[in-house]
Amino acid sequence: DAEITQSPRHKITETGRQVTLACHQTWNHNNMFWYRQDLGHGLRLIHYSYGVQDTNKGEVSDGYSVSRSNTEDLPLTLESAASSQTSVYFCASSEGGGAGSNQPQHFGDGTRLSIL
Amino acid sequence: AQKITQTQPGMFVQEKEAVTLDCTYDTSDPSYGLFWYKQPSSGEMIFLIYQGSYDQQNATEGRYSLNFQKARKSANLVISASQLGDSAMYFCAMRELNTGNQFYFGTGTSLTVIP
Repeated sequence: DAEITQSPRHKITETGRQVTLACHQTWNHNNMFWYRQDLGHGLRLIHYSYGVQDTNKGEVSDGYSVSRSNTEDLPLTLESAASSQTSVYFCASSEGGGAGSNQPQHFGDGTRLSIL
Repeated sequence: AQKITQTQPGMFVQEKEAVTLDCTYDTSDPSYGLFWYKQPSSGEMIFLIYQGSYDQQNATEGRYSLNFQKARKSANLVISASQLGDSAMYFCAMRELNTGNQFYFGTGTSLTVIP
């Protein structure tokens, strides 16, 4: 079965360090997304990609970057981790719009990141 | 303006009773889709049900149904015969056809089923 895998599931790091969260999907979806989930805020979009070499900023992109070198992977990098970036991070993928617009996003199981 | 509004931070329901979780949305796009997800305490996001803006009938999936009122821009989730396993966070989301690819999520409703 197709799936979307995030790693690591849990990570503790220190402020100022660079951190990369991995996301790998086998759905063959062009669209991939990164969200952070914080209490009272629901899911907030960090970055997204509509295909290889395409990346776009979401509503909370400051301090984060992504790159898309193939269809399957969209790693999220925190350039210099800050305590405000302690959160649960979700990666998701979906089919394109148009005919695929009734298809849901498929989510990974999340990465719990703590920055001390 | 918020695209998706969920006004109930927390809800309680007696086991075997029905419960309605509210969701209102804001869009000027005539073509859109509405989705509900469940997030149990284990953390994964589980897709429950979908409603398209042009669908004539309310969507149903087992014990889940969607009370879609287009003129009021509401898409409330109804869970019938609640079970203890229904205790979770529930998120409403929307996808607009003109953007096609972004999903907009509400802040969620925490449902607790009481035995």
